[in-house]
Amino acid sequence: GENVEQHPSTLSVQEGDSAVIKCTYSDSASNYFPWYKQELGKGPQLIIDIRSNVGEKKDQRIAVTLNKTAKHFSLHITETQPEDSAVYFCAASGPDKLIFGTGTRLQVFP
Amino acid sequence: DVKVTQSSRYLVKRTGEKVFLECVQDMDHENMFWYRQDPGLGLRLIYFSYDVKMKEKGDIPEGYSVSREKKERFSLILESASTNQTSMYLCATSPGLAGDEQFFGPGTRLTVL
Repeated sequence: GENVEQHPSTLSVQEGDSAVIKCTYSDSASNYFPWYKQELGKGPQLIIDIRSNVGEKKDQRIAVTLNKTAKHFSLHITETQPEDSAVYFCAASGPDKLIFGTGTRLQVFP
Repeated sequence: DVKVTQSSRYLVKRTGEKVFLECVQDMDHENMFWYRQDPGLGLRLIYFSYDVKMKEKGDIPEGYSVSREKKERFSLILESASTNQTSMYLCATSPGLAGDEQFFGPGTRLTVL
């Protein structure tokens, strides 16, 4: 069945450094790739998404890249801040649902 | 602003009890979802509904049922709670099934003793 793999499971960076989270997906028909951020005690919230007709999308310090040939997509956070500390989930669209990755716990140390 | 509310933030139940988790949304979305979240396993879809009284099984429906009598309300039912159903339960709503943003509630942490 459809599958989304996400790496790493945990990531620790110094404030100001960049962070990269990578996902691979199995369904070549997937065409929508959102990223969610889950802060402590809250539900996940969409931070950026990309559709298969573009290779890159940027929103301030956050960017997502998509390689459809390799079935890879990645989240890039530049100039990390302590408030970026959270769990991040990638997802890929299936025929009738989103398939989520297993999550990455990002810790940004001051 | 989309609001998705869940009836409880924390719930403690005993093995064998019937448990109801309620989710209400105020955005008139057709689609609603129930996920469970466990460390290292991410978000796993239990059931979803694309219309009133319509429901579809997700990836892990065993031991659960759902009810959607009104468009804004989607209930998750554990007919006979077991300890392996101790988890965080998240409700979400979306205008589409797979190609649109999903809006999540704050979650219910259920502990079954």
